[in-house]
Amino acid sequence: AQSVTQLGSHVSVSEGALVLLRCNYSSSVPPYLFWYVQYPNQGLQLLLKYTTGATLVKGINGFEAEFKKSETSFHLTKPSAHMSDAAEYFCAVRAEFGSARQLTFGSGTQLTVLP
Amino acid sequence: KAGVTQTPRYLIKTRGQQVTLSCSPISGHRSVSWYQQTPGQGLQFLFEYFSETQRNKGNFPGRFSGRQFSNSRSEMNVSTLELGDSALYLCASSLAGQINQPQHFGDGTRLSIL
Repeated sequence: AQSVTQLGSHVSVSEGALVLLRCNYSSSVPPYLFWYVQYPNQGLQLLLKYTTGATLVKGINGFEAEFKKSETSFHLTKPSAHMSDAAEYFCAVRAEFGSARQLTFGSGTQLTVLP
Repeated sequence: KAGVTQTPRYLIKTRGQQVTLSCSPISGHRSVSWYQQTPGQGLQFLFEYFSETQRNKGNFPGRFSGRQFSNSRSEMNVSTLELGDSALYLCASSLAGQINQPQHFGDGTRLSIL
């Protein structure tokens, strides 16, 4: 079985500060990893994905994430937070076989950006 | 290009009733997945359809069912509604359902059970 752990259900940063949202996964087979963002009363929007190749992945809105196999991590970062980044962020994992094909989500991290 | 469309956006039902939710995927997408989102359980996978066939199913009771039509539109049905079924139901589509393809989500149907 695969799982995703997001450390910190709530993270607060000041506008202009570094954003770091943590994600650790467990998977018995090579994973595909995704970060999604959800704004109030909306669905999920894909920020970025890791499938194969380069371990540093750049996404939309200035976000990026690094896949570290040795640490089983896929942390999301943004150098400078903007007020519009306030939202809930979800890390998710998929893998090739059986029930692992389904997208498994972490519990989410609510990001607050302080003026 | 239009995104994933879910109807209705909001729905209020009472216990014991049944409900049908609809999802129209992005044009050309053939895979549709459904998720339930609640404050307590988070995002949980319900099922995935591809070319009118259920390809994967999550751990939900048989009261939850779905289907996909030849035009890739999908419906999910919940029978004998319970209070715990109150949730945001999200539909997502992808091109061919391959693992490395991202899923594109609709804005969801918020179901409230009284």
